[in-house]
Amino acid sequence: GAGVSQSPSNKVTEKGKDVELRCDPISGHTALYWYRQSLGQGLEFLIYFQGNSAPDKSGLPSDRFSAERTGGSVSTLTIQRTQQEDSAVYLCASSTGLAPNEQYFGPGTRLTVT
Amino acid sequence: AQSVTQPDIHITVSEGASLELRCNYSYGATPYLFWYVQSPGQGLQLLLKYFSGDTLVQGIKGFEAEFKRSQSSFNLRKPSVHWSDAAEYFCAVGAYAGNMLTFGGGTRLMVKP
Repeated sequence: GAGVSQSPSNKVTEKGKDVELRCDPISGHTALYWYRQSLGQGLEFLIYFQGNSAPDKSGLPSDRFSAERTGGSVSTLTIQRTQQEDSAVYLCASSTGLAPNEQYFGPGTRLTVT
Repeated sequence: AQSVTQPDIHITVSEGASLELRCNYSYGATPYLFWYVQSPGQGLQLLLKYFSGDTLVQGIKGFEAEFKRSQSSFNLRKPSVHWSDAAEYFCAVGAYAGNMLTFGGGTRLMVKP
């Protein structure tokens, strides 16, 4: 079956521009996660959606970052006024939300801010 | 809050040799534990998981891991490494179902012919 997909695979943007990253989770998975992978910080949790509950935004590094999930499926991560330190690989994962809650990851979007 | 430590940043082994990658976690209760592998330019692939029951778990690609509560460890092992195992390996812990994962810093495995 289809796995988690993300688009675009690569994005180069100028400092100060806004970007949108998209994630299509595995069909039927109610939980969706965004992580960021960068050289200096490793893998960091950003935000988590579970069903119709309010998202857990505790990992978002600043108010320039936001995410939404429409119809309990597709999610978009938006970064406003991008900075060079936002350059990283953004990974999306989905799960059933049930124990043990293994998460399945997409291939990631590599964001480069010039 | 939970945390994960992978003490070895890089490991090099010869093809056919055995492998053990170390993982130590910090969490007050029994956590959900995972090992993921990441090949260059790829996303994370789940190798195996533990959340209860038998402390020795089997995964894909011939990997296994053993949960040792007394040592707060969840080390990954493989009896005979293949060149295709060269990748970065991440140990992760989740506090409860639905929780986000906390990852270790990763161990990069190189395989010598």
